[in-house]
Amino acid sequence: DVKVTQSSRYLVKRTGEKVFLECVQDMDHENMFWYRQDPGLGLRLIYFSYDVKMKEKGDIPEGYSVSREKKERFSLILESASTNQTSMYLCASITPLGGGDRGYTFGSGTRLTVV
Amino acid sequence: GIQVEQSPPDLILQEGANSTLRCNFSDSVNNLQWFHQNPWGQLINLFYIPSGTKQNGRLSATTVATERYSLLYISSSQTTDSGVYFCAVERITNNNDMRFGAGTRLTVKP
Repeated sequence: DVKVTQSSRYLVKRTGEKVFLECVQDMDHENMFWYRQDPGLGLRLIYFSYDVKMKEKGDIPEGYSVSREKKERFSLILESASTNQTSMYLCASITPLGGGDRGYTFGSGTRLTVV
Repeated sequence: GIQVEQSPPDLILQEGANSTLRCNFSDSVNNLQWFHQNPWGQLINLFYIPSGTKQNGRLSATTVATERYSLLYISSSQTTDSGVYFCAVERITNNNDMRFGAGTRLTVKP
């Protein structure tokens, strides 16, 4: 099975701190994604990457940056954490499902609280 | 950008009941998926269904791409079906980036 691993399940950071959220996938997938999930809003796309050193902004990139130095690792960076970035963060990569289908595999999420 | 609307936002069922969840989307899409998020937050892919009908046990899904909607059917619901169901669509680009609806929160009572 494909595994997408997020380094922390829970994280508490102070306002103004630089925060790194790490995501690693083990199947050499090219496409990786970072979403944040908030009640009533579903999952919103922050950034995605379709290759090493490539990145594209999603719908809500403000206050975030990303790094993809190796294919298996996609990092989300909060340059200066703010309380409105308190959220659940989910990483995903694309998984072939067979027969031409494809789907997403999600990590288990990082619940970040900024105080 | 593309809009994805799910209904109903909340659904409470008695165990054994059937239900239909709906997903409307505002533009043509390459891909549509249904996900289940369990109470521990893990998202599991249920169906990849850009068009047509698929079935997997008590779950089935139908997407009518020309009319821009998809339906997820849950039959003989069980308490383990509880959680949030998300519909997500992939725009017609080369980057496979998906947009999610706000979800339907399903509670199945014993």
